[in-house]
Amino acid sequence: QVHLVESGGGLVKPGGSLKLSCAGSGFTFSDHYMSWIRQAPGKGLEWLSYIGYSGSAKFYADSVRGRFTISRDNSKNLVYLEMTSLRDEDTAVYYCAREGSTSTFSSFLDNWGQGTLVTVSS
Amino acid sequence: QSALTQPASVSGSPGQSITISCTGTSGDVGGYNYVSWYQQHPGKAPKLMIYAVSNRPSGVSDRFSGSKSGNTASLTISGLQAEDEADYYCSSYTSSSPLSVFGTGTKLTVL
Repeated sequence: QVHLVESGGGLVKPGGSLKLSCAGSGFTFSDHYMSWIRQAPGKGLEWLSYIGYSGSAKFYADSVRGRFTISRDNSKNLVYLEMTSLRDEDTAVYYCAREGSTSTFSSFLDNWGQGTLVTVSS
Repeated sequence: QSALTQPASVSGSPGQSITISCTGTSGDVGGYNYVSWYQQHPGKAPKLMIYAVSNRPSGVSDRFSGSKSGNTASLTISGLQAEDEADYYCSSYTSSSPLSVFGTGTKLTVL
């Protein structure tokens, strides 16, 4: 069955950096767009970034463009989110998720990881 | 990209039906048939309930249904059950980065 596991979260000071990883298993990783979504404490979901099948296509929300970088390694079934210049407001649970369609981008996430908590605080 | 608009809360009694709305623009909800709905219980990851406006993934109860009219999508839950109490989020494809946007979220209370 499909399994996604995030790692790399933790406590970081404002201005610091952190790199999240998401390991996929149980499916052909390179057949799916992958995405990162976050949820600040007590708040709603925010779509952060999408990466295409090969990693060449990347899309970012305005709130993280220029600070966050998404990448993937299909040989290892991993997707990453490198976060720099972190701010207090980046404190959230970060989820990776799989785009549900393999043939065409359809903007739905059919499998999610359990999330990893990132806390930005001095 | 602005979040899609949902009511903050809805409620219903067991056995009743409720509908949650999700309002966007012609640049997202109204322009594409790529509206999805997610259920999230406290402390858990979201779960896909509806995709492509009205399609249910395997394993999702047929008590959940989706529709769209113009710039507004809707999720209807019939025969409400206690386990349906959760937060619900809509999402839609949008032509602007990052290609998708979530709604503001709706807390469903089963009375």
